[in-house]
Amino acid sequence: AQKITQTQPGMFVQEKEAVTLDCTYDTSDPSYGLFWYKQPSSGEMIFLIYQGSYDQQNATEGRYSLNFQKARKSANLVISASQLGDSAMYFCAMRNMYSGGGADGLTFGKGTHLIIQP
Amino acid sequence: GAGVSQTPSNKVTEKGKYVELRCDPISGHTALYWYRQSLGQGPEFLIYFQGTGAADDSGLPNDRFFAVRPEGSVSTLKIQRTERGDSAVYLCASSLWGGQGDTQYFGPGTRLTVL
Repeated sequence: AQKITQTQPGMFVQEKEAVTLDCTYDTSDPSYGLFWYKQPSSGEMIFLIYQGSYDQQNATEGRYSLNFQKARKSANLVISASQLGDSAMYFCAMRNMYSGGGADGLTFGKGTHLIIQP
Repeated sequence: GAGVSQTPSNKVTEKGKYVELRCDPISGHTALYWYRQSLGQGPEFLIYFQGTGAADDSGLPNDRFFAVRPEGSVSTLKIQRTERGDSAVYLCASSLWGGQGDTQYFGPGTRLTVL
């Protein structure tokens, strides 16, 4: 079974600073995908970035980048030049290649509540 | 284009009642997922549809929960004999083809409160 651990329940960051949100994962499958989602107070889950386990390069999407360290089983999200609108819950999630037994769905961590201060 | 829509946005019911929650996925998406999110937690997987069939229902907590997707588009999550512990936000997501790296796009959720 797969597991996602997010060790930072909450973070306060000054506007315009970079922020790193930690995520470690555990799986026995060699092929998997890692995702980050943002959930503002409105409740909707917004997809941010994806990293495949065999991808050679770290994924980037605008101000978001994923620091993927496969040997350490970590997939930290880096937000550059944080903005007030970045304040939200952030969830790390993964999905294995093999189907069945719940593997078809995403396994989520408990999330990190990020607050950007002016 | 339109995203995933869910109705109702809020549902309040009494213990023991039956409820139906509806999900309308992004047009053309063959894969559809249901999740449940309790307060302060990440979403938990319930069931995955590929087309009309439930390809993986291992996350359904018990036989009071059932979901259908009869025409491969709209899905309905059905909960019988609701219990107070069923109170949560029920999220629906869809993806283009259901593969491992396929991005799942979420709807706004239905907040279910069982009194």
